[in-house]
Amino acid sequence: AQRVTQPEKLLSVFKGAPVELKCNYSYSGSPELFWYVQYSRQRLQLLLRHISRESIKGFTADLNKGETSFHLKKPFAQEEDSAMYYCALSGGRMDSSYKLIFGSGTRLLVRP
Amino acid sequence: DGGITQSPKYLFRKEGQNVTLSCEQNLNHDAMYWYRQDPGQGLRLIYYSQIVNDFQKGDIAEGYSVSREKKESFPLTVTSAQKNPTAFYLCASSMFPPGGPQHFGDGTRLSIL
Repeated sequence: AQRVTQPEKLLSVFKGAPVELKCNYSYSGSPELFWYVQYSRQRLQLLLRHISRESIKGFTADLNKGETSFHLKKPFAQEEDSAMYYCALSGGRMDSSYKLIFGSGTRLLVRP
Repeated sequence: DGGITQSPKYLFRKEGQNVTLSCEQNLNHDAMYWYRQDPGQGLRLIYYSQIVNDFQKGDIAEGYSVSREKKESFPLTVTSAQKNPTAFYLCASSMFPPGGPQHFGDGTRLSIL
């Protein structure tokens, strides 16, 4: 079954602390993995995708095919990072719909 | 200002009534999607369309209908057959092929009177 699991509903850290938002997936094939973010009063937007291998706003995520994980990390959290984060996968060319399968989301709260 | 516009922001439905949610995009994207979001859950795909005059059912299409008569528009109708329509509805679009990241609207919150 195709599934994305984000085990933490809420993650609370202090400013300057490291952050790791967990994402595990189940997919028979080679999916594309994404992290989307929704800041307060803003629309859902793409944060990063694994094929880009880039760092956005200090966040990185490495695809671990062996552990089927795509955890989102940032070494030093900032208050403006507080938001709802969704991990998602797409079958890419293996799935003609290119639909996204979303996890249930993790709310990150960065305290001063 | 390019993007996706969903309207209305809030919508109320009476029992037995059909309601239509609007989604318009000026990004020249081929593919458009409708998702439903319930509290504590991720987004679930209702319908998607990859080209004008064609659309496909997603994972939870029962009680919903769509049309794609124009590239920029993909309205969603919540019919009276949808017994639990109270949710947050998000529309998205992307280039196709090869897909790529989806761009989202601000959403419509539908409630039952």
